[in-house]
Amino acid sequence: GENVEQHPSTLSVQEGDSAVIKCTYSDSASNYFPWYKQELGKRPQLIIDIRSNVGEKKDQRIAVTLNKTAKHFSLHITETQPEDSAVYFCDYGGATNKLIFGTGTLLAVQP
Amino acid sequence: NAGVTQTPKFQVLKTGQSMTLQCAQDMNHEYMSWYRQDPGMGLRLIHYSVGAGITDQGEVPNGYNVSRSTTEDFPLRLLSAAPSQTSVYFCASSFGTGDGEQFFGPGTRLTVL
Repeated sequence: GENVEQHPSTLSVQEGDSAVIKCTYSDSASNYFPWYKQELGKRPQLIIDIRSNVGEKKDQRIAVTLNKTAKHFSLHITETQPEDSAVYFCDYGGATNKLIFGTGTLLAVQP
Repeated sequence: NAGVTQTPKFQVLKTGQSMTLQCAQDMNHEYMSWYRQDPGMGLRLIHYSVGAGITDQGEVPNGYNVSRSTTEDFPLRLLSAAPSQTSVYFCASSFGTGDGEQFFGPGTRLTVL
């Protein structure tokens, strides 16, 4: 069924460093792999997504990679800035209609 | 477009009271869902709907009811509020299921005393 694991739960980096967050899923039914960012006190918002027919997608400093064989997809943030500090979630639907979020990663970018 | 709207923004209830959280979207999305987010925690799916007249349970459905009489509206009803239901509630919608962006409402902050 739909099951997604997200790691790490917290991540602290120095400004300018890179950050990587990974989500692992259990089945092979979904073709859509999104990442959401939630700033403190705000609603989650989509920052990048990828479909199963590509392996990587970039948008300026953020990128998402997909490994369908190993059943995981990752969010990459390069040249981190203090405004990247937030909670990041992956989302997975799988073989059912349930859209389940990963447990979230609290990213802290230290100036 | 207003996107996804939720009312109220804040609510305080006493244990045992019932209430309905309202959610509406004007994007003609078929899929709508309700999540709860406890302090410092992730988003847990309560109930979802793939279209008018169709609802189903998510990860944490106990104590909540939903209905979907129109494409636009997806209210969440708390039957008998308990302190464990103190949380922030987000409504979300998308065109399809698991194949496109979910758009979130601003959230309702609920406190049950």
